[in-house]
Amino acid sequence: GQQVMQIPQYQHVQEGEDFTTYCNSSTTLSNIQWYKQRPGGHPVFLIQLVKSGEVKKQKRLTFQFGEAKKNSSLHITATQTTDVGTYFCAGPRSGGGADGLTFGKGTHLIIQP
Amino acid sequence: EPEVTQTPSHQVTQMGQEVILRCVPISNHLYFYWYRQILGQKVEFLVSFYNNEISEKSEIFDDQFSVERPDGSNFTLKIRSTKLEDSAMYFCASSPGQGATGNTEAFFGQGTRLTVV
Repeated sequence: GQQVMQIPQYQHVQEGEDFTTYCNSSTTLSNIQWYKQRPGGHPVFLIQLVKSGEVKKQKRLTFQFGEAKKNSSLHITATQTTDVGTYFCAGPRSGGGADGLTFGKGTHLIIQP
Repeated sequence: EPEVTQTPSHQVTQMGQEVILRCVPISNHLYFYWYRQILGQKVEFLVSFYNNEISEKSEIFDDQFSVERPDGSNFTLKIRSTKLEDSAMYFCASSPGQGATGNTEAFFGQGTRLTVV
């Protein structure tokens, strides 16, 4: 079945340093979504990428979708303590109209002040 | 801002008992989902629901599980004969509908922490 892999599992950074998490799917994706989960919280949607090679920015966050639509990355510039949490990528399970999502294992971002 | 609400926030049950987890999706959304997350692990898809029927289910969603939309607002997950390994956070999510290019975002509830003892 479809697998979505993320690395690294944990990332410790000093506040102000940059952070990147990488996501790779075993199958070509129609789109990829990114979610953030704060400690003790629920997943919160960040963004959806649809086009091959697409790059989207949200303030200090930059999201990329690979040319083959099988990989993606999230880069955070100059991390802040509010960025702490787990970042998940997720791809649609199938081509159906009510697709559930297959999540990666997530990257836990830990920031040291 | 509209949100998905789940009750209870925490449920403790004895092994072998049945539990019902409740969710109120966002009112104009068409697609509803249940996911679970074992502590510290990834979010796992259980089932999707559209037009009053199951659209897709994962291998986790076996005969022990069932979903229902008993009225116009509630969406429930029933777990029969609970096992220790059913202990997890269960998230309900809803989505407004498929956009021109596929999935639209899923809005997650705060979750129900199920503890089976």
